[in-house]
Amino acid sequence: EIVLTQSPGTLSLSPGERASLSCRASQSVSSSYLAWYQQKPGQAPRLLIYGASSRATGIPDRFSGSGSGTDFTLTISRLEPEDFAVYYCQQYGSPPYTFGQGTKLEIK
Amino acid sequence: QVQLVQSGAEVKKPGASVKVSCKASGYTFTSYAIHWVRQAPGQRLEWMGWINAGNGNTKYSQKFQGRVTITRDTSASTAYMELSSLRSEDTAIYYCARLLVGRGAFDIWGRGTMVTVSS
Repeated sequence: EIVLTQSPGTLSLSPGERASLSCRASQSVSSSYLAWYQQKPGQAPRLLIYGASSRATGIPDRFSGSGSGTDFTLTISRLEPEDFAVYYCQQYGSPPYTFGQGTKLEIK
Repeated sequence: QVQLVQSGAEVKKPGASVKVSCKASGYTFTSYAIHWVRQAPGQRLEWMGWINAGNGNTKYSQKFQGRVTITRDTSASTAYMELSSLRSEDTAIYYCARLLVGRGAFDIWGRGTMVTVSS
């Protein structure tokens, strides 16, 4: 099973700042099958990025994804108030299709 | 619009079974796979299994093999997830999600169904 480890666990930033979230895999993941989701309290996850770097429909261009192999990054260029949430990475390269433990992005 | 509508919250006793439904609308149900993912309180999302809504083929996580059954009714555009031999650790929100074709990501999610297992 591929274990995804996200860091940091919590990230405290202010609106307008840049956020970088990391996702490290225990084995190489095909870039085609690394995704990022945003989850707010009481809501289902929302797809942000698929294929490591492609934005999903309707996702603002301040969200970007990068990386390959075992190291992937989600970057939010300028934080908006609505971006404060929990973010998960997920791999679909090898079943079981695992998720990271999440990074909580909180307002400083 | 494209959406997945799940059935309501359930409370079950240990040892019982639960069946959660997921009704699709706004797209051709049989053209996509439906996956089931759960989230226990304070835990990460956990993939349980999936069904090819077109041909009915299924695949389950080994963790749930033997306890989970995913089915679909194409006439109702609905997928179902049944989990048996429930224990307290199965208390979680259960989500259905549509797989984005060829992209390895879940683009549409249901709102989730809370299942509480308690004596």
